[in-house]
Order: sequence, then C-alpha cells, then structure tokens
Amino acid sequence: GAGVSQSPSNKVTEKGKDVELRCDPISGHTALYWYRQSLGQGLEFLIYFQGNSAPDKSGLPSDRFSAERTGGSVSTLTIQRTQQEDSAVYLCASSSQTGDNQPQHFGDGTRLSIL
Amino acid sequence: GESVGLHLPTLSVQEGDNSIINCAYSNSASDYFIWYKQESGKGPQFIIDIRSNMDKRQGQRVTVLLNKTVKHLSLQIAATQPGDSAVYFCAENGSSYKLIFGSGTRLLVRP
Repeated sequence: GAGVSQSPSNKVTEKGKDVELRCDPISGHTALYWYRQSLGQGLEFLIYFQGNSAPDKSGLPSDRFSAERTGGSVSTLTIQRTQQEDSAVYLCASSSQTGDNQPQHFGDGTRLSIL
Repeated sequence: GESVGLHLPTLSVQEGDNSIINCAYSNSASDYFIWYKQESGKGPQFIIDIRSNMDKRQGQRVTVLLNKTVKHLSLQIAATQPGDSAVYFCAENGSSYKLIFGSGTRLLVRP
C-alpha cells in the first residue's frame, strides 16, 4: 500500500514569508508526528496527533510554528514569518497506534530552504 | 541523543562482511527501541524494533541486540551489501510516544 506522502518535496522561499507543508499519512493510521532534521543531524520532535485527542505541541520551537490535522487524516505544518534557522528537512511519520508502541513510518520529507 | 553535527561516526566495511552498528541510549525508562536506515534524500526507513522484555530479535539479514544493564543497543547486518550503505539511527521511546533519536552512524560498504 501507499506510504506516507509529503508535499512539496522541496520548498525555497524568502525570509519572512509563510510556508505550508503537507502530510498524507498511511491510510488507517491514527497517530501522526512531525519531526525536523537539520543537516547531518538526528530528528527533533515537533508535534504529535492521536485521533481526536488534543495534540502534543511541546516540541514546536516557537509560536511561528503551528500544525493542524483535519478529519483525522491529512496534516499541515505552517511556519509563519520564516527565518533562516528554519531551513531543514521536515519529516512526517504515522503509526497505527501508540498504546502498544508501533513503529513510526516516515515520508521522504520536505526540504525547506530559507533565503 | 546528542548531536554530532556534520561529522557522523562512520563504519567502513568490505562487501560481504558482517557489520555491527552500536548505540548507547539515554533513558533507563525506555521500553521500545527501533533501528532506522536513511539514504540520502529519503526519509528514515524502518528496519527492526525490539521491546525491553527481549534481548535479541532477528529479521532478514539483521539482528538487534539489547543490553539493558548498560543501556546499549546494536544492529548487526549479515553479508553487508552495497545497498546497505546509508546512515543508521537508533531510537528509543523514553516510555512515551515521542521517539528520541541518536545522532546516527554512516555505513560505507566497500566493493
């Protein structure tokens, strides 16, 4: 079946602009995660959605970052007034459930470059 | 996990040899561990997982070993192939749903 799909795959924008990144999880997966990966580094947790529960936003680095998940499926990560330090690869993952520790499956990410 | 920036530890092996990639995890409360493989320009790909009630788990050409006493995790790849060249990350759950990723090890397979 189809894996996690992210769009766009690459995004170049000017400092100060807003960007919106999209994630389409694996069908039937109730848990969705956003991570950020800076060049040559590991993954940094940003936000987590599980079903209809309130999202865990504890990893968002500033109030310029926000995310939504509509209808329990597609999610969008929005970065307002982008800064150069926002340049990174933004990865989305989904899993079937979290109660019993299921593996997270990742998309190929959106490579964001802020000029 | 701590970040080592651009200078990832690198393991270079001859094609056909076995590879062992090591990881020290940080949280003694972690009870679920995963190994991921990440190729250039791609997202992390799930390889194998293990729960804390196990010491060893085997997959196809891969084995994960868990030593809870010293908080150590290893990934063994048998008969390493050129397609195995990638960055490998271990991850722990820290007793929650948030995965905590290690800084990664680059595996280079020499033909």
